[in-house]
Amino acid sequence: DIVMTQSPDSLAVSLGERATINCKSSQSVLYSSNNKNYLAWYQQKPGQPPKLLIYWASTRESGVPDRFSGSGSGTDFTLTISSLQAEDVAVYYCHQHYNVPFTFGPGTKVDIK
Amino acid sequence: EVQLLESGGDLVQPGGSLRLSCAASGFTFSTYAMSWVRQTPGKGLEWVSGSGDNTYYADSVKGRFTISRDNSKNTLYLQMNSLRAEDTAVYYCVKGSGGSTYSAPEYWGQGTLVTVSS
Repeated sequence: DIVMTQSPDSLAVSLGERATINCKSSQSVLYSSNNKNYLAWYQQKPGQPPKLLIYWASTRESGVPDRFSGSGSGTDFTLTISSLQAEDVAVYYCHQHYNVPFTFGPGTKVDIK
Repeated sequence: EVQLLESGGDLVQPGGSLRLSCAASGFTFSTYAMSWVRQTPGKGLEWVSGSGDNTYYADSVKGRFTISRDNSKNTLYLQMNSLRAEDTAVYYCVKGSGGSTYSAPEYWGQGTLVTVSS
């Protein structure tokens, strides 16, 4: 199984400041045939289901604010919130859909400092 | 607007069975991969099963759970047998971004709670 790890476990950032979340997979999730990373990022707020933010590691889902961006390839990925807003308080998960069983990271909790 | 409405969650005894349903609307159900993902406070998010161009299961449920879909009713199912305490979780119905089972999970339902306990 591909193991997904995230760091940090939690972080607190001042409003308007940058938040950076790292995700690492135990093996590459880059599919050479189409040069796509099978890596997605989700945001989950309390009492709600996860919401897709980023797919193919760096493509923003329609309607997601452009302060959210994804980067990385292979085994190392980053989700960046360029200017944290109050509504961004949530848990963020990375997810690989490259190999069955598909797996999720443990989550990173983002709070306001 | 995509809508996914899960039902069927309940309290069941160990060894029992349960069938979850997910009524889908707002998209052409038959052309998209669908999956079940569960969430527990202790184990986080766990992919359970997916149905698209192929069908797959997590090892933890293989042989006990069966995913199926009725495209005429726009409904996804999860038949769960031989339930164990560790199957206790909120179960989400999830629409894929494409027809391949390997497509990224795109839309999630609100979830249905399954509790396995005596």
